Amino acid sequence: NAGVTQTPKFQVLKTGQSMTLQCAQDMNHNSMYWYRQDPGMGLRLIYYSASEGTTDKGEVPNGYNVSRLNKREFSLRLESAAPSQTSVYFCASSGGQNNEQFFGPGTRLTVL
Amino acid sequence: RKEVEQDPGPFNVPEGATVAFNCTYSNSASQSFFWYRQDCRKEPKLLMSVYSSGNEDGRFTAQLNRASQYISLLIRDSKLSDSATYLCVAGGLGGTYKYIFGTGTRLKVLA
Repeated sequence: NAGVTQTPKFQVLKTGQSMTLQCAQDMNHNSMYWYRQDPGMGLRLIYYSASEGTTDKGEVPNGYNVSRLNKREFSLRLESAAPSQTSVYFCASSGGQNNEQFFGPGTRLTVL
Repeated sequence: RKEVEQDPGPFNVPEGATVAFNCTYSNSASQSFFWYRQDCRKEPKLLMSVYSSGNEDGRFTAQLNRASQYISLLIRDSKLSDSATYLCVAGGLGGTYKYIFGTGTRLKVLA
């Protein structure tokens, strides 16, 4: 039971390049989330998917797109990376009685 | 005003001490509350959910005060391994899945 997995763990991009961050969960959770974490800013919600087939914008969606591929997988795409997107990205899933969120190990992204 | 506010600390306490953190939230419609622990360069991990009646898990006690809109976490008999950043979370407004995280309170337990 791996929980929430993310790939890659680290990535360096040049401005303008694109990439997709992958996330998968094996807890049969309906809801999945993408956050970014920056020093002094805390975790900020980029997009979330309440259930398979639905996605909604969070607090900071600009510059990102998401795909809920199936119940297990939720990917985050940067179409044209900018230095302001340098951050640590966390994927999470939630379920259960209290809808607690469980996080993946994160992707450290640097955009030069 | 931030939707969820925490004192960033650091709180430096000796081993064995009792330490308490408070967190305030601005949206009175918030329905669900949690405390997470985050170690340096790691993902947040759920410490405990917070219930209206208060709840305890070993050395950790969480309280919710809806009237004053704050959540507290009490750690008794602090261990060196408790050193981490503690994140307060509020949300679930209107049955949604949006949760707001505080920026965290740093705790250092000293030998």
